[in-house]
Amino acid sequence: GAVVSQHPSWVICKSGTSVKIECRSLDFQATTMFWYRQFPKQSLMLMATSNEGSKATYEQGVEKDKFLINHASLTLSTLTVTSAHPEDSSFYICSAGSGTGTGEQYFGPGTRLTVT
Amino acid sequence: QKEVEQDPGPLSVPEGAIVSLNCTYSNSAFQYFMWYRQYSRKGPELLMYTYSSGNKEDGRFTAQVDKSSKYISLFIRDSQPSDSATYLCAMKSSGGSNYKLTFGKGTLLTVNP
Repeated sequence: GAVVSQHPSWVICKSGTSVKIECRSLDFQATTMFWYRQFPKQSLMLMATSNEGSKATYEQGVEKDKFLINHASLTLSTLTVTSAHPEDSSFYICSAGSGTGTGEQYFGPGTRLTVT
Repeated sequence: QKEVEQDPGPLSVPEGAIVSLNCTYSNSAFQYFMWYRQYSRKGPELLMYTYSSGNKEDGRFTAQVDKSSKYISLFIRDSQPSDSATYLCAMKSSGGSNYKLTFGKGTLLTVNP
């Protein structure tokens, strides 16, 4: 089956620093990846759509200068949280479209970010 | 009205029970429907993917879609404690892999041994 990995799985950083999260599709190529954040006991909130070789498309209300997305290859997308603040603490999850005709999306295991 | 409505529960059932999880939607453009299972502090796992009205069965899981009523269901037979998780319905308007999903809020299910 399609496997998506994320690294790191858990990170603690100090307020004001930047953190990079990687999302990889391990056994398929993904022209499109999606980044979500999830607060405790809430559903996933789409932050942005990451397209290989082009700029990401951000959802309304998501600061593109704060959440930098790069999709440099068909198997790797990165999310960088710049100048992190405690309110950025959340569970960040990526997903990748399988590229088949029906376009199933597979999710990574998530990255828990804690900003102190 | 939200595009996708899902009762967040929580839902608690005894082991072996049949579980019924449901979502309703308002956007007629939605044509592809998914159910994901999410364990605590893990990423969602794709359980079922359907794109036509009717039933689709996979082991103990059955996904049902009624486009005329804009209503989808997931049935779990012979539920097990390991089925305890949050179940999310999701849908999109096109089969392309670059189309974003719209999620329900998720239903928290607990199966008691």
